[in-house]
Amino acid sequence: NAGVMQNPRHLVRRRGQEARLRCSPMKGHSHVYWYRQLPEEGLKFMVYLQKENIIDESGMPKERFSAEFPKEGPSILRIQQVVRGDSAAYFCASSTGGNSPLHFGNGTRLTVT
Amino acid sequence: AQKVTQAQTEISVVEKEDVTLDCVYETRDTTYYLFWYKQPPSGELVFLIRRNSFDEQNEISGRYSWNFQKSTSSFNFTITASQVVDSAVYFCAGGNNRLAFGKGNQVVVIP
Repeated sequence: NAGVMQNPRHLVRRRGQEARLRCSPMKGHSHVYWYRQLPEEGLKFMVYLQKENIIDESGMPKERFSAEFPKEGPSILRIQQVVRGDSAAYFCASSTGGNSPLHFGNGTRLTVT
Repeated sequence: AQKVTQAQTEISVVEKEDVTLDCVYETRDTTYYLFWYKQPPSGELVFLIRRNSFDEQNEISGRYSWNFQKSTSSFNFTITASQVVDSAVYFCAGGNNRLAFGKGNQVVVIP
């Protein structure tokens, strides 16, 4: 039973490029969450999605960031025109909804050069 | 608004000593969940425990134990007889769907 799968594990982008981070939830999970971890910081909530719907995006920066969770396929966190400050570890978590525990993936470490 | 406070940043202990990590969770919600996660040097997040705000019974799992006191909003975590493999960053988190995380406790176990 595979856990939450995130890819790529490491991603390097130059300033101004686009970054696409993918997350496949655990089997049977239809709720996906994205968190960002800056160096030596805790995780900060970004967005909560259910299949084809954004439930809560209150933690998402207003510009350049978007997220989707289509009916088929993984959830995608997209960062356009990346800047150095976007360098961080991005974690995806999934759950069955309600108050069930979140299970996290191994994260994608984005480095912007 | 939610706030998770983990006061100690780095804690060093000698192997076999006990270590207790403090966490205070503040919220206006009357019901909520509290979590502890472990982040080893490899970077993944490992779920350790979840408690709901109605359940103040202490819990023990192997060398791990947790103490939740709603009156003080504290959810403390103790590792008994620490081992080198316990070296990691430990995060306390709280909330319902949207979790707030503390800044983490870096635990270093010295052999």
